[in-house]
Amino acid sequence: DADVTQTPRNRITKTGKRIMLECSQTKGHDRMYWYRQDPGLGLRLIYYSFDVKDINKGEISDGYSVSRQAQAKFSLSLESAIPNQTALYFCATSDSLAVGGRDTQYFGPGTRLTVL
Amino acid sequence: AQSVTQPDIHITVSEGASLELRCNYSYGATPYLFWYVQSPGQGLQLLLKYFSGDTLVQGIKGFEAEFKRSQSSFNLRKPSVHWSDAAEYFCAVGSTGTASKLTFGTGTRLQVML
Repeated sequence: DADVTQTPRNRITKTGKRIMLECSQTKGHDRMYWYRQDPGLGLRLIYYSFDVKDINKGEISDGYSVSRQAQAKFSLSLESAIPNQTALYFCATSDSLAVGGRDTQYFGPGTRLTVL
Repeated sequence: AQSVTQPDIHITVSEGASLELRCNYSYGATPYLFWYVQSPGQGLQLLLKYFSGDTLVQGIKGFEAEFKRSQSSFNLRKPSVHWSDAAEYFCAVGSTGTASKLTFGTGTRLQVML
């Protein structure tokens, strides 16, 4: 969805390096999410944020941190990258104002990260 | 805890044939259910969603899915597959009250033979 952009789209880095993945959205949504996708495992939630001051850990947050700089921006950081963090990372957004909690998540194009 | 099972890792069909992708969920109450498609090198695109009401849901690209509470299933169907449907398909379940906490299945990769 062009309303959700991720930078960079591809990144190769080395073990121990700090790296930041960025997500921006123009959908006006207040909720944002970071997932990682590994072959055969589907998507797993890393962190989610329901507004600028609300950040929550997902099922696999170890080794990651996030920053919600503004409603439209949500960054994921790997403080010291390791090879098993090689994966496809997706950002998603949703709208809490959806009636009855029936918000729908919309995904960015993904960032392919390789840690050597 | 909610969970999703997609029993078929890989499916191959001929162009023009019908398609059914299976999805079984585990959740104590009425779930919110979604199907997403990921084309090669692309992000996830929402195909359709179920929150309540009519158990047969129509989506984009000619896809439909049927919610069957008795079978805890939400299978995706298409009557005639096109070569451009080759992709990976993900089923996801969200909790009633907030669809924001999604749990995804492991995906089914669809190959279409010409």
